[in-house]
Amino acid sequence: KNQVEQSPQSLIILEGKNCTLQCNYTVSPFSNLRWYKQDTGRGPVSLTIMTFSENTKSNGRYTATLDADTKQSSLHITASQLSDSASYICVVSATGTASKLTFGTGTRLQVTL
Amino acid sequence: NAGVTQTPKFQVLKTGQSMTLQCAQDMNHNSMYWYRQDPGMGLRLIYYSASEGTTDKGEVPNGYNVSRLNKREFSLRLESAAPSQTSVYFCASMTTSGGAYEQYFGPGTRLTVT
Repeated sequence: KNQVEQSPQSLIILEGKNCTLQCNYTVSPFSNLRWYKQDTGRGPVSLTIMTFSENTKSNGRYTATLDADTKQSSLHITASQLSDSASYICVVSATGTASKLTFGTGTRLQVTL
Repeated sequence: NAGVTQTPKFQVLKTGQSMTLQCAQDMNHNSMYWYRQDPGMGLRLIYYSASEGTTDKGEVPNGYNVSRLNKREFSLRLESAAPSQTSVYFCASMTTSGGAYEQYFGPGTRLTVT
């Protein structure tokens, strides 16, 4: 069964600090991995999409890494801001199933003063 | 360009009542999806439509029906609401032409069934 597991479940950091969120998956055969940001009360918004051949991808202060061999991904947030407080969801799709994505349960990040 | 829109934003139903959740996208995407999101669980696919005129069941289709009215609109119907259908419902659309596929979500409908 395709699964996506994220850790930690929740995280509290001080504004200005960095943090790293983890994602492990068992989806096969792998097609691509996405990270979404979901603010409270809103729909998820895409941060990055990574295919098999991509190891690192950045979007401003967000940097995603992918190790397809170990089936792990991380999302690193640099110099956190209060507006980074949200849930971060890892989503993986398998080849040939573009219409069906496997979602992780998310990491709830709170950035405080 | 409004992206993906959903109506209503909030709804309270009594057990056994019916309702239709509306979704529309203005990005000319082929594929559209309905998900539900429950606390402690990832988004789960209810139904999807790979293209106009086609619909398929997802992971949790029981108790729901869908209609792909045209390329823009994809509605989700609860014929006889149950408390287990209390959830946040998200509609999404995705282009399936070229490259890795970007999926766009609507703002969600918060449904409570009492």
